[in-house]
Amino acid sequence: GAVVSQHPSRVICKSGTSVKIECRSLDFQATTMFWYRQFPKKSLMLMATSNEGSKATYEQGVEKDKFLINHASLTLSTLTVTSAHPEDSSFYICSARDHGGGNTIYFGEGSWLTVV
Amino acid sequence: AQTVTQSQPEMSVQEAETVTLSCTYDTSESDYYLFWYKQPPSRQMILVIRQEAYKQQNATENRFSVNFQKAAKSFSLKISDSQLGDAAMYFCAYRAGTYKYIFGTGTRLKVLA
Repeated sequence: GAVVSQHPSRVICKSGTSVKIECRSLDFQATTMFWYRQFPKKSLMLMATSNEGSKATYEQGVEKDKFLINHASLTLSTLTVTSAHPEDSSFYICSARDHGGGNTIYFGEGSWLTVV
Repeated sequence: AQTVTQSQPEMSVQEAETVTLSCTYDTSESDYYLFWYKQPPSRQMILVIRQEAYKQQNATENRFSVNFQKAAKSFSLKISDSQLGDAAMYFCAYRAGTYKYIFGTGTRLKVLA
């Protein structure tokens, strides 16, 4: 079946640096992808909608200059956390919409970010 | 704005018994989908069951079934013959035309041997 892959699954970075997380749809084209954030023992909160070939749409309260989203191809969206701080440490999950597959949404495996 | 509420932070069930997880939601939309996702310790989101709002018949997937009450905006999940592998965090989710998911706060299910 359709698979959405995230990389890296775990990353540790130093405060002040930037880190990039990739979300790939492996066997379908996804013009729309979504990025969620999950704090420990909390629910998933939508951060932004990533649209291929155009700017991402951010949810209220999400800093677009801090969480840069690029959806440069039909199978890849990236989330870059810029000038990371310890409070950015979290679990980040992407999902992708399979337009050709009945608009089914598939979730990635998630990426753990730890900022030290 | 749409909201999803799960009022049970944690539930326990004996192996082989039945448990029901509650979910209520609020929306002004008429066309939407409701989901139950399972999140094990690996954190992978696993689709358990989905319900289209326009369908009156409750969805069923093997041991999992829902009680969808559209007028009451209630969407509960029943797990029959509970197994140790069912232990996980369960999230109720809502999705409308934008394909954005709104998740509840989750219910942690413990299965007792």
